[in-house]
Amino acid sequence: GNSVTQMEGPVTLSEEAFLTINCTYTATGYPSLFWYVQYPGEGLQLLLKATKADDKGSNKGFEATYRKETTSFHLEKGSVQVSDSAVYFCALRRTNDYKLSFGAGTTVTVRA
Amino acid sequence: GAGVSQSPSNKVTEKGKDVELRCDPISGHTALYWYRQSLGQGLEFLIYFQGNSAPDKSGLPSDRFSAERTGGSVSTLTIQRTQQEDSAVYLCASSAPNSPLHFGNGTRLTVT
Repeated sequence: GNSVTQMEGPVTLSEEAFLTINCTYTATGYPSLFWYVQYPGEGLQLLLKATKADDKGSNKGFEATYRKETTSFHLEKGSVQVSDSAVYFCALRRTNDYKLSFGAGTTVTVRA
Repeated sequence: GAGVSQSPSNKVTEKGKDVELRCDPISGHTALYWYRQSLGQGLEFLIYFQGNSAPDKSGLPSDRFSAERTGGSVSTLTIQRTQQEDSAVYLCASSAPNSPLHFGNGTRLTVT
């Protein structure tokens, strides 16, 4: 079946540090891949997505590249801010399917 | 415009009682999802509605759980004879065709 495995947290960083959250997936075919973010007290919101191999999704300084050969979609940001403190979820959706399969989430705390 | 609205935001109930959780999706969104977020775990798919089609109930954990969607809009998730393991955040999301999911802020259910 489909599954998403992401790096366990929590992750604590200082402001301006480099952030990487690893995400690997298991799925047949060519799923679409997503990163969702949940800020404190808010609902999940889409951060970025990629729909085919070698696509790079980017938003708010975050990037993730769809790597078919390594079945990965790692999230990166070069210089984090306190406002990036949140829970980050990696997710996939198979082609022609409607369900999203989520990873367990990674809690990121950025200290000033 | 209004996002996905869920009520109540918090619910504390005694073991054995029934609870109803409500979701108002974004107007015009034909797809509606319920997910459950338990502490330290990822999002668990519960049920999916699409237009007038029969819902996908494959994620409901037991027959104590049921959901309906009236008039293709508002949805209610009902949990009968609640148990302590039902304690979680219940998330509702809606989407237009081939578009990202928009999540509500969730209902935090605590069963004492």
